[in-house]
Amino acid sequence: DGGITQSPKYLFRKEGQNVTLSCEQNLNHDAMYWYRQDPGQGLRLIYYSQIVNDFQKGDIAEGYSVSREKKESFPLTVTSAQKNPTAFYLCASSTWTGYNEQFFGPGTRLTVL
Amino acid sequence: GENVEQHPSTLSVQEGDSAVIKCTYSDSASNYFPWYKQELGKRPQLIIDIRSNVGEKKDQRIAVTLNKTAKHFSLHITETQPEDSAVYFCAASLPANQAGTALIFGKGTTLSVSS
Repeated sequence: DGGITQSPKYLFRKEGQNVTLSCEQNLNHDAMYWYRQDPGQGLRLIYYSQIVNDFQKGDIAEGYSVSREKKESFPLTVTSAQKNPTAFYLCASSTWTGYNEQFFGPGTRLTVL
Repeated sequence: GENVEQHPSTLSVQEGDSAVIKCTYSDSASNYFPWYKQELGKRPQLIIDIRSNVGEKKDQRIAVTLNKTAKHFSLHITETQPEDSAVYFCAASLPANQAGTALIFGKGTTLSVSS
């Protein structure tokens, strides 16, 4: 289960506050991804990054922001503009050549109080 | 953009029976179709994948078939065991001219295998 880590495992936030979820990988992968998982909704793509200093919006990017300053790190900020942020957030990484497996982190469960 | 539909949402089988999960995708330019298994409280893990130049792939008790003309692909699990109980997700790659191997996932199928 090593290689890609997320912290914290559980996170509580008050309404109106921004919060940043951490994702780190030591697999030397170029590409990193953020997904949101809600019951019955599958995994929905928030943002992805192919290389350092570059990232693209996924299907549900509104209310979220990311940065990719280092190859190993891809933090996700959930802003106060996200209307329904309570969810399970999964980070993943992969190589960026051809068709390759995405390796997932253990996830962060965010609850807005 | 790409859309992936997955059916059924829940599937209950007896141990030893076969299970089939079906997915359809909308963008004919998609060319990579993985399947992930997520056990309760754990992260998703790849169990099998298929590329657009292949019609079928098998790995022990699991197999995947792809029909590019009809834009659908299926997961087949034979001789099911209780440890196969999990949520299964299909996915399709975003078209290569947009995003390489970024994936769009189906909503998942909860498979329950009773002994």
